[in-house]
Amino acid sequence: AQSVTQLGSHVSVSEGALVLLRCNYSSSVPPYLFWYVQYPNQGLQLLLKYTSAATLVKGINGFEAEFKKSETSFHLTKPSAHMSDAAEYFCAVNLASGTYKYIFGTGTRLKVLA
Amino acid sequence: EAGVAQSPRYKIIEKRQSVAFWCNPISGHATLYWYQQILGQGPKLLIQFQNNGVVDDSQLPKDRFSAERLKGVDSTLKIQPAKLEDSAVYLCASSLDQHTEAFFGQGTRLTVV
Repeated sequence: AQSVTQLGSHVSVSEGALVLLRCNYSSSVPPYLFWYVQYPNQGLQLLLKYTSAATLVKGINGFEAEFKKSETSFHLTKPSAHMSDAAEYFCAVNLASGTYKYIFGTGTRLKVLA
Repeated sequence: EAGVAQSPRYKIIEKRQSVAFWCNPISGHATLYWYQQILGQGPKLLIQFQNNGVVDDSQLPKDRFSAERLKGVDSTLKIQPAKLEDSAVYLCASSLDQHTEAFFGQGTRLTVV
């Protein structure tokens, strides 16, 4: 069965520092992977997606993620945090075949310190 | 392009009452999802439609929850009777097909008292 694990329910970084949010997946077949961001009282907004093309994926707002099959990881990074990046981030997996369900991780709340 | 529309945004009901949520997906999107997001948790898939057919409803509490997608467009999610533990945000999402990215509505925040 597919699943997603996000390490760290809360992450704090200083403004201008590197952002690293971790996501590991479990899947028996090649997955599609996604990162979503959720601001307070809002729905989820897609940041970026991996669909078996380039392993380094660039998204909106300066975020990127790298698919590493050997580590079953899809960590989200941003070189320099901005105050506006404070939000909750969700990693999601969707199989490329078979059961086409989106499975979400439990989320990581990012806090950016001035 | 219009996004996924949901209504109402907020709803407060007493336990054992019934409630219904409405979702209008992005035009042309065949796949529609209803998720339940409890405070502090990730979204949990309740039901997934492909056009007007149910693809997955394995996590839908069928004794009290029901959903339909008539004509493969709009969808409604109903809870009857509501329990305290149903307090959550109910998110509707849609996608072109089952593999492309899902676009989410702003959600309906349900409080059961």
